[in-house]
Amino acid sequence: LAKTTQPISMDSYEGQEVNITCSHNNIATNDYITWYQQFPSQGPRFIIQGYKTKVTNEVASLFIPADRKSSTLSLPRVSLSDTAVYYCLVGDAFTGGSYIPTFGRGTSLIVHP
Amino acid sequence: DGGITQSPKYLFRKEGQNVTLSCEQNLNHDAMYWYRQDPGQGLRLIYYSQIVNDFQKGDIAEGYSVSREKKESFPLTVTSAQKNPTAFYLCASRASSSYNEQFFGPGTRLTVL
Repeated sequence: LAKTTQPISMDSYEGQEVNITCSHNNIATNDYITWYQQFPSQGPRFIIQGYKTKVTNEVASLFIPADRKSSTLSLPRVSLSDTAVYYCLVGDAFTGGSYIPTFGRGTSLIVHP
Repeated sequence: DGGITQSPKYLFRKEGQNVTLSCEQNLNHDAMYWYRQDPGQGLRLIYYSQIVNDFQKGDIAEGYSVSREKKESFPLTVTSAQKNPTAFYLCASRASSSYNEQFFGPGTRLTVL
């Protein structure tokens, strides 16, 4: 499985755009990049997933450069409720049930008023 | 409503007692997972099951046991052999056909006194 590296923590202010970068230098051809969000005392929640270029949904955008060795989760105009831990996972989408999602420590984002 | 449930939300046990944590899903997912989370840490995989009547050890299986007799259920037993059982336990499920998205339960916070 491709190992991922993320910053341990980040701070931001309400209304700002936040970009969290994840490094995955040994990503494999079939690997997808998935981001989860976790609030305290809750289970993680899927945010966004992508393979290459850019993916956008109602919550976030995911930017993936051509070499796919990193990815950036972008949260537009954050609010206090975006304070959470964000996890980047990389894995083979086509192995079906044999894929074992592995979570690192994630990035703890704190949004200040 | 489809989802994944865990019970109880809080659990207190005396040291040396075995305790079983419940996890049920009605999403018709083949794969199910148990993770442990300690304060300020990421999720660590305890056990996973890709199909009924089959399961594999994760990274920290010592002191834990599981069963998968039904597709919907994946209970976790924390035995007296687990040296530091106090933690937040998360159950998740995933469709074999889905790319990487896992669905998590609300978690069980176990405190051993």
